[in-house]
Amino acid sequence: DAGVTQSPTHLIKTRGQQVTLRCSPKSGHDTVSWYQQALGQGPQFIFQYYEEEERQRGNFPDRFSGHQFPNYSSELNVNALLLGDSALYLCASSLLTSQNIQYFGAGTRLSVL
Amino acid sequence: AQRVTQPEKLLSVFKGAPVELKCNYSYSGSPELFWYVQYSRQRLQLLLRHISRESIKGFTADLNKGETSFHLKKPFAQEEDSAMYYCALSRLGGATNKLIFGTGTLLAVQP
Repeated sequence: DAGVTQSPTHLIKTRGQQVTLRCSPKSGHDTVSWYQQALGQGPQFIFQYYEEEERQRGNFPDRFSGHQFPNYSSELNVNALLLGDSALYLCASSLLTSQNIQYFGAGTRLSVL
Repeated sequence: AQRVTQPEKLLSVFKGAPVELKCNYSYSGSPELFWYVQYSRQRLQLLLRHISRESIKGFTADLNKGETSFHLKKPFAQEEDSAMYYCALSRLGGATNKLIFGTGTLLAVQP
């Protein structure tokens, strides 16, 4: 089991562009959560998907949207990129009934120029 | 407000010295507390959670509801303990809930 995999590893975009990040959960997991980690900060919760629906959402603008596919993989989309969106984006997978045990991917480093 | 506070950005100790990484929280409800660790060039991984009451790699943490703290302790630090440590909380029980993280403490164990 490869664990949680994220792609791409690194990404460079310019202001105003749109970006899509991808996540494949650990085998057997059904829930995917996304976090943003700015430099020098702890991860901040963006949203969580279960059964292809957004289940929980953090304090992020509507420019941040997501999707979960029938195979449980997930995408994070960010529109109209701002310089402040530059961060490490982490995906975490879990089993909904696993009582908060989440496994993290290595992340996608997004740089907005 | 839901918040996790880790007051130290950096903690430097010598090998064999005791370690205490501080974590305080603010949460309305029943929280579950965690410590996550990130070694150099590795992904974030769960170290321990308060409901398990385990000792992992010699580390322990006790939830003190009166002081709203969940400090991470180890009696004798090893060089391989050098890493970034994050304290996090979530709502206790039921389904998987969002994690709220602190800003992290970098532990540097000197030889």
